[in-house]
Amino acid sequence: GQQVMQIPQYQHVQEGEDFTTYCNSSTTLSNIQWYKQRPGGHPVFLIQLVKSGEVKKQKRLTFQFGEAKKNSSLHITATQTTDVGTYFCAGPGSNTGKLIFGQGTTLQVKP
Amino acid sequence: SQTIHQWPATLVQPVGSPLSLECTVEGTSNPNLYWYRQAAGRGLQLLFYSVGIGQISSEVPQNLSASRPQDRQFILSSKKLLLSDSGFYLCAWSVTIGTEAFFGQGTRLTVV
Repeated sequence: GQQVMQIPQYQHVQEGEDFTTYCNSSTTLSNIQWYKQRPGGHPVFLIQLVKSGEVKKQKRLTFQFGEAKKNSSLHITATQTTDVGTYFCAGPGSNTGKLIFGQGTTLQVKP
Repeated sequence: SQTIHQWPATLVQPVGSPLSLECTVEGTSNPNLYWYRQAAGRGLQLLFYSVGIGQISSEVPQNLSASRPQDRQFILSSKKLLLSDSGFYLCAWSVTIGTEAFFGQGTRLTVV
């Protein structure tokens, strides 16, 4: 079946360092979405990318959608302790359209 | 604006007891509704989704069932809980299938 994979599973960084998580789908996606889940909280929608090669920025966060619309990345510049949490990518399944979530990347930031 | 309510926030239940978790959405009509389960430190597993009243699709065979008695109400149930049912249960809604999902606060269920 269709899969969405994320790497790395965990990342520990020193505050101020950059962080990147990568998302890869086994099939072409009509869109890719990113969510953030703070420890003990629920996933919160961050952004959606639709176009091939699209790049969007939210302050220190940069989101990219690959040219083939099968991969995506989230890059955080100069991490802060408030960036701690698990970042999920998700894309609609090709058959049913239901969102398929990656396993998430958990970010720990050491002050 | 739209809001999603999910309760209770925390629940401890003995093995073999029944379960009922409720989720309601306000401020929108005919939402797509979802139940997810998240094991500790793991990803989101889709359990059920619904595109309309009385329409339930099950993603994985398990000890749970879902119902949608009203347009904006989604209920997750079990007749007899198992230890393996422990986890973080999240209700979510979206305007259409595959679009951005809005999650409730979640219910942390511990079966003892």
